[in-house]
This record gives sequence, C-alpha cells and structure tokens, in this order.
Amino acid sequence: QAVVTQEPSLTVSPGGTVTLTCGSSTGAVTSGHYPYWFQQKPGQAPRTLIYDTSNKHSWTPARFSGSLLGGKAALTLSAAQPEDEAEYFCLLSYRGIGEEFGGGTKLTVL
Amino acid sequence: EVQLVESGGGLVQPGGSLRLSCVASGSGFTFSSHWMSWVRQAPGKGLEWVANIKKDGSERYYADSVKGRFTISRDNPHNSLYLQMNSLRAEDTAVYYCGGGPGYWGQGTLVTVSS
Repeated sequence: QAVVTQEPSLTVSPGGTVTLTCGSSTGAVTSGHYPYWFQQKPGQAPRTLIYDTSNKHSWTPARFSGSLLGGKAALTLSAAQPEDEAEYFCLLSYRGIGEEFGGGTKLTVL
Repeated sequence: EVQLVESGGGLVQPGGSLRLSCVASGSGFTFSSHWMSWVRQAPGKGLEWVANIKKDGSERYYADSVKGRFTISRDNPHNSLYLQMNSLRAEDTAVYYCGGGPGYWGQGTLVTVSS
C-alpha cells in the first residue's frame, strides 16, 4: 500500500503561521485523494478539522485552512494559539485500494 | 448533532474473536449516504486505517494488516456499522474508532488482545 508522509514535528510561535504537508509515495496528491486532516490532543479522540481537501466543519476554527500545495495536501494554521498544540494526522483515499494515514505531525506552539 | 457510538471492545485472548458495533444518530447525517470506516490507534502510536465500506455495502477494502481476519459490514436500516475481528493478535490491541461522511467520528472502543 501507499506511504503517506508528514513532517514528524514542527514548531510555531504564538500568532505565527505554519503549514503542515501530506505527501504520497504514489505521486502528486490531488483532490481525488479526498485529503482529510485530523487534530488529536493527548488523551482525546481525533477530530476532523478538514475534509475533502479544504472543507471545514462547524467546529473547525477559522484559522485552519486546507489546500493542495506543490503536489501535496496542506494544512495551514494562521495566528496560532497555544491550544493548537496537538498532533495532526492526514488521511488520503486511494480509489479501489483503501485509505492511508500519515505518521502524524507533532505541532508545538512556543 | 451527529453521534457515532462504538461498542463491543474488551479483553480477548490471542486467536480469539470480537465483534465491534457502531451506531449513528442525529440529524444531518444520513447513514446510508456515506462510506463508513474503521480506524484504530495502538497505545502511544499513530492512527491506522483498518477498513471501509461503500454506502450500499457493495465494496469493502481492508488494510493489509487485517485482510483475511477482519470483516466490515453495515446495516443501513439500523444505522449500524460492524467490524468482525477473528484470529486476533497482540498487535491488534488498540482503540478502534468508527467514522464516516464528512469526518464524523466516534469516541472509540478499546480492544485488548492478551493472555
């Protein structure tokens, strides 16, 4: 099965902007991979921030946005807040095969 | 508010079986209109996709790690999703989450495989 890659860790300053990426070993990530982004804090269940590349849920803070960037899926956090410190996972769909998670990005707000 | 509630987890011996269930409720979520999935998270590890099933159950896909041992199924009239897990191994120990639609997920049920 495909390998989905994410940055293992990133650091952002409070109020700063950071972009997390999600790549695929099979080539460019497209909207056809229906990229999802999850946020997970310690001891909690994961929750979806972004689905189908760029769609937000009602609970998704406006400072998060999803896009495709340079052949990868991207999650951009603008004006980072301390409560955004968490692990972020992307999920890609592979038609006729299944789905794969990335290894996760541990985001520190410092 | 959409709710997905998993059940059926517990302690099972290696080689044993377990059946997980997930029931969807709440307005704004038509169960039969969405692909549904199971994912899991072993202690201290990342998320792992396990299986998914098409809206009408006509297509099912599995991670290589569970293929031939796990079976995903659904009962649309009862808004229910299932995961039959056979020949369980220690490495199947994890919290199992069900999810579907535009990113609705449950709170998970813990499966522990140990003698």
